[in-house]
Amino acid sequence: GAGVSQSPRYKVAKRGQDVALRCDPISGHVSLFWYQQALGQGPEFLTYFQNEAQLDKSGLPSDRFFAERPEGSVSTLKIQRTQQEDSAVYLCASSPGRLAGREQFFGPGTRLTVL
Amino acid sequence: AQKITQTQPGMFVQEKEAVTLDCTYDTSDPSYGLFWYKQPSSGEMIFLIYQGSYDQQNATEGRYSLNFQKARKSANLVISASQLGDSAMYFCAVRKGSNYKLTFGKGTLLTVNP
Repeated sequence: GAGVSQSPRYKVAKRGQDVALRCDPISGHVSLFWYQQALGQGPEFLTYFQNEAQLDKSGLPSDRFFAERPEGSVSTLKIQRTQQEDSAVYLCASSPGRLAGREQFFGPGTRLTVL
Repeated sequence: AQKITQTQPGMFVQEKEAVTLDCTYDTSDPSYGLFWYKQPSSGEMIFLIYQGSYDQQNATEGRYSLNFQKARKSANLVISASQLGDSAMYFCAVRKGSNYKLTFGKGTLLTVNP
């Protein structure tokens, strides 16, 4: 079956532009996660959805970051007025259950470069 | 808060040899899970192996094994019989109890030489 997919794979934005990053989780997966991975670092948690409910957004770095999952499947991470420090790989992951399972299944990520 | 330390920025190993990637963690919770992920140049994180804090035996998955030393808060990954395709970044991560957040280390870049 298909894994987690993300689009676009690469995005170049001028500082101040808004961007939208899409995540298609594995079909039927209840939990969805967004992580930010800066160059040379491990991924850092941004936000967590259980179905359509955003249960944790404690990792979002500023109010310019907004995530949604309106129908409990596809999710979009939106960054408004992008800044150079937003340049990173944005990883999406999903897992089947409500409680933490043994593993989260990751997508290939979107590499965002802000000029 | 959880913390993961991977002290080896880079490691080299000859093909067919074994290699150990170090990971130490810091958590005050008695119940936690430890994970290792592989990240090839294509970017996706590939789950390798999991160890629960209450598991009595070290986890093994094929060529991967986890050397879990609870008192030392150490969870080293051992890859046996290295293959060229093992060249990648390797991340150790910890998750508290039944929480969902993974806290990752900075990773180790493994290069397998022919």
